[in-house]
Amino acid sequence: EVRLVESGGGLIQPGGSLKLSCAASGFTFNTHWMHWVRQAPGKGLVWVSRINVGGTIRDYADSVQGRFITSRDNAKNTLYLQMNSLRDDDTAVYYCAKEGLYDTLDIWGQGTMVTVSS
Amino acid sequence: DIQMTQSPSSLSASVGDRVTITCRASQTINNYLNWYQQKPGKAPKLLIYAASSLQSGVPSRFSGSGSGTDFTLTISSLQPEDFATYYCQQTYSSPRTFGQGTKVEIK
Repeated sequence: EVRLVESGGGLIQPGGSLKLSCAASGFTFNTHWMHWVRQAPGKGLVWVSRINVGGTIRDYADSVQGRFITSRDNAKNTLYLQMNSLRDDDTAVYYCAKEGLYDTLDIWGQGTMVTVSS
Repeated sequence: DIQMTQSPSSLSASVGDRVTITCRASQTINNYLNWYQQKPGKAPKLLIYAASSLQSGVPSRFSGSGSGTDFTLTISSLQPEDFATYYCQQTYSSPRTFGQGTKVEIK
């Protein structure tokens, strides 16, 4: 079964840091680009970041550029999102997603909640 | 950045109705457009890719059309399990922006 499982979410104070993980199974992880997408409570989907198969190309949304870092460990089949200088408006469910054919996000994790609040 | 605008933001419809959702890009994106369905508390699910191709396992009542800047998602006969929020996303360039979503509610 193809599966993505996020972890690492929680309550963090503004200005703090948090690292999310996304464990992949059931597919050849090191042959797929991977993405992060977030969704604030009651709001729509917002694309956050993507990373290529080798971890050498990374794109970010303007809202997280310079604060978030996406990385991957292909030996561990795991994607990461290091979030620094967190702000209230970073509060959201964070999903990881696998990129499939035609640049689709064809497999999604269940999401992990990040709450930034004092 | 390419802006994606969906309309309407929400709609009410009955089972059996034909439903159409539109998505407009702020610049041409050829056919680099995907549609997703999201139900409350769940992760999004891919429905349509490359503007008009049906993802495997998705019912044939879903269809997509369009190219350039204007796109449409159509549900030919709305079923109870189709009440959800639908999002378009462009993959022409980064950042890979989503539309704001269209919530389909029961009338």
